[in-house]
Amino acid sequence: DIQMTQSPSSLSASVGDRVTITCRASESIRRYLNWYQHKPGKAPQLLIYSASTLQSGVPSRFSGSGSGTDFTLTINSLQPEDFATYYCQQSYDTFSVYTFGQGTKLEIK
Amino acid sequence: EVQLVESGGGLVQPGGSLRLSCAASGFSFSSHGMNWVRQAPGKGLEWVSYISNSSRTIYYADSVKGRFTLSRDNAKESLYLLMNSLRAEDTAVYYCARDAGSGIFGVERIDFWGQGTLVTVSS
Repeated sequence: DIQMTQSPSSLSASVGDRVTITCRASESIRRYLNWYQHKPGKAPQLLIYSASTLQSGVPSRFSGSGSGTDFTLTINSLQPEDFATYYCQQSYDTFSVYTFGQGTKLEIK
Repeated sequence: EVQLVESGGGLVQPGGSLRLSCAASGFSFSSHGMNWVRQAPGKGLEWVSYISNSSRTIYYADSVKGRFTLSRDNAKESLYLLMNSLRAEDTAVYYCARDAGSGIFGVERIDFWGQGTLVTVSS
């Protein structure tokens, strides 16, 4: 099964900062990589799919890049509503179907 | 407006059974694959199961294979998860989640989620 590893596990930042979260796959997943935002008590939200395509309605300060095994989610000019937990997810492996990373909790500094 | 409303969660004893339901509205239910994803207390997201739009393809995570059964009724626009032989480690919020595609090309991405229903397995 393909394993997904995110780093860091947690991150402190201030409003207006630029932050980058990394996701690494245990083997190549080409560009079959999605990013989600999850706030406590809320439904998760799709941010980025196919590594770099912004989901409709998601602010342009969110961006994604990468292919193969290494991917990044970048948030430019952090807003108060961006403090949440972020997950990467692979959709390449038919047998393990979806695998999530362990999550990165973004907290206010 | 796309809506996914889960129901059926609650407290159940180890070894017991529970059936979760998800009522869909605001989109063509029969055109989309569907998933269940769970989050245990203090843990991350874990994908549980997937069913294609026609029910032709069903996948399960290894952690629930042989115990959980996923089904859907397109006429009723509803998704069901029958959970048997429940264990303490199945305690989680269970999210009903729509796949972006029908499943003809496999899974794509989860583009809409419900609010979740809590399942607690405890004696």
